[in-house]
Amino acid sequence: DVKVTQSSRYLVKRTGEKVFLECVQDMDHENMFWYRQDPGLGLRLIYFSYDVKMKEKGDIPEGYSVSREKKERFSLILESASTNQTSMYLCASSLVGGQAFFGQGTRLTVV
Amino acid sequence: QKEVEQDPGPLSVPEGAIVSLNCTYSNSAFQYFMWYRQYSRKGPELLMYTYSSGNKEDGRFTAQVDKSSKYISLFIRDSQPSDSATYLCAMTGGSNYKLTFGKGTLLTVNP
Repeated sequence: DVKVTQSSRYLVKRTGEKVFLECVQDMDHENMFWYRQDPGLGLRLIYFSYDVKMKEKGDIPEGYSVSREKKERFSLILESASTNQTSMYLCASSLVGGQAFFGQGTRLTVV
Repeated sequence: QKEVEQDPGPLSVPEGAIVSLNCTYSNSAFQYFMWYRQYSRKGPELLMYTYSSGNKEDGRFTAQVDKSSKYISLFIRDSQPSDSATYLCAMTGGSNYKLTFGKGTLLTVNP
């Protein structure tokens, strides 16, 4: 059974904190993604990675960075959390051809 | 014109009804088409995956792709209250592993 695991379901952080969201997949997928999901805006791609140590910006990379040191792990970093980064964060992994599998999501609240 | 258009609903149907969910798209390079089901506060779950034009059936679910019209559909037969969720269409091109999502349709199946 395919598995994408996000480190936290719920997080509350203070403005200005550095926040790490971790994602691990056990399917040996090349591609990994970070999305955020907001009501009325749908899923928006923040960053993606198509190989270890490779990354590309998505549609809304500002205020975020990523790290992929190992194939199975993809981390999203909020350098200095702000209230407008309160959102549902979703990690996904896929093979070429698009079948993406998502984690359970992390609901982040920045206060 | 948005790359993928999906009616957000909400759509409310009685139990046992046939449900039709649709997306249109503008990018003729899209070849792989997916439907995801997302329950409230959970990550999207891959429901159906099709390549190019045609139909695919899986139990009560049928996915249709009409590339000539740039139109995809998901049909749910004998709908159940447990089908109540947001349904997201997604698509990607051949070598392009990035998914483009619709904004989702909220479906409620009433007992």
